[in-house]
Amino acid sequence: KAGVTQTPRYLIKTRGQQVTLSCSPISGHRSVSWYQQTPGQGLQFLFEYFSETQRNKGNFPGRFSGRQFSNSRSEMNVSTLELGDSALYLCASSLPNSYGYTFGSGTRLTVV
Amino acid sequence: DQQVKQNSPSLSVQEGRISILNCDYTNSMFDYFLWYKKYPAEGPTFLISISSIKDKNEDGRFTVFLNKSAKHLSLHIVPSQPGDSAVYFCASRGISSGSARQLTFGSGTQLTVLP
Repeated sequence: KAGVTQTPRYLIKTRGQQVTLSCSPISGHRSVSWYQQTPGQGLQFLFEYFSETQRNKGNFPGRFSGRQFSNSRSEMNVSTLELGDSALYLCASSLPNSYGYTFGSGTRLTVV
Repeated sequence: DQQVKQNSPSLSVQEGRISILNCDYTNSMFDYFLWYKKYPAEGPTFLISISSIKDKNEDGRFTVFLNKSAKHLSLHIVPSQPGDSAVYFCASRGISSGSARQLTFGSGTQLTVLP
């Protein structure tokens, strides 16, 4: 079956712009989580959505937001981009109450 | 405040020998621990996990050990193969409802298996 699909794979934006990243989970997975990976920082939790509701949020500024649609697809948005937002953004999906998280290949965002 | 720490950013091991990757955590509320493997330009791939009620879990060449009193877990790969070269992340899951679905990751260890 298809894995977690993230689009686009690569993105270059300038400071001050906004960006929207998309994630399509594995069919049947209703939980979607987002993580930011920067060099030396590991993966930092952004937020988790389940049934179109944000269930948990990490320690990121309000410029980072997300949403989930009725088909479980999720988007995350970053407004007023800063150079420090350059990172690999990863989406993971899972079945409810499952320990098994499946990650997508990520979107590499570069802010110049 | 890093709740999950991988103090070795890199590790080099000869092919056929044992690779031992270490991870320390500070939050005693974590109830489940996972190891992920990541190749460049790909998302992390689940490798092996262990519940806090166990002290060992084995899957083929991979074994995870958990020492709850020391808040320490380790991943053993025996024998190591060149294809194991990747970044390995340990991750922990909390049991409170607020953090129930949140994994806390370490910063990763780059494993290089030399032929």
